Amino acid sequence: GENVEQHPSTLSVQEGDSAVIKCTYSDSASNYFPWYKQELGKRPQLIIDIRSNVGEKKDQRIAVTLNKTAKHFSLHITETQPEDSAVYFCADSAGNKLTFGGGTRVLVKP
Amino acid sequence: NAGVTQTPKFQVLKTGQSMTLQCAQDMNHEYMSWYRQDPGMGLRLIHYSVGAGITDQGEVPNGYNVSRSTTEDFPLRLLSAAPSQTSVYFCASSSSGQGFYEQYFGPGTRLTVT
Repeated sequence: GENVEQHPSTLSVQEGDSAVIKCTYSDSASNYFPWYKQELGKRPQLIIDIRSNVGEKKDQRIAVTLNKTAKHFSLHITETQPEDSAVYFCADSAGNKLTFGGGTRVLVKP
Repeated sequence: NAGVTQTPKFQVLKTGQSMTLQCAQDMNHEYMSWYRQDPGMGLRLIHYSVGAGITDQGEVPNGYNVSRSTTEDFPLRLLSAAPSQTSVYFCASSSSGQGFYEQYFGPGTRLTVT
């Protein structure tokens, strides 16, 4: 089946610095790549997504890049703030299923 | 709109018991799915449905059954609970069409099997 690998598993950054999370996928037919944020004890919520016909997408301090040739995509958070502390999940779509990565726990230190 | 609702929020079962986790959405979404999230791990797909009357297996379907008789409801049934099924269960829904769209998650059900 489809496999999505996510790195790093934990990431500690100083407030104001940037954070980068990387994911690789295996199914070349995947064409939708969302990122979800899950705060402690809460449900996952979509923060940004990108489709395979786009190489980069930005939304304020968040950006996602996609390299279909290399089968990897990344989440970039700039000017990190304490409220960015959470677990972030990447995912891809293959067939009718979303496959999630293992998650990255981000801690923003004030 | 209530969005995606799940009941119960917490449940403790003994090994061998059966139960049904309820999930409902009021957004008229065709696509619904069930995930389990184990401590420190990602979300693993159990079963999903692309519309009423249609269900299919995900990554970890063993020990679970689903049905989709209406667009709104997608219950998950545990046939004979085992300690390995201790987890947090999330139901999600999304509109569908040409490809995937944002999945809206329910608040989750925390299940403990002793």
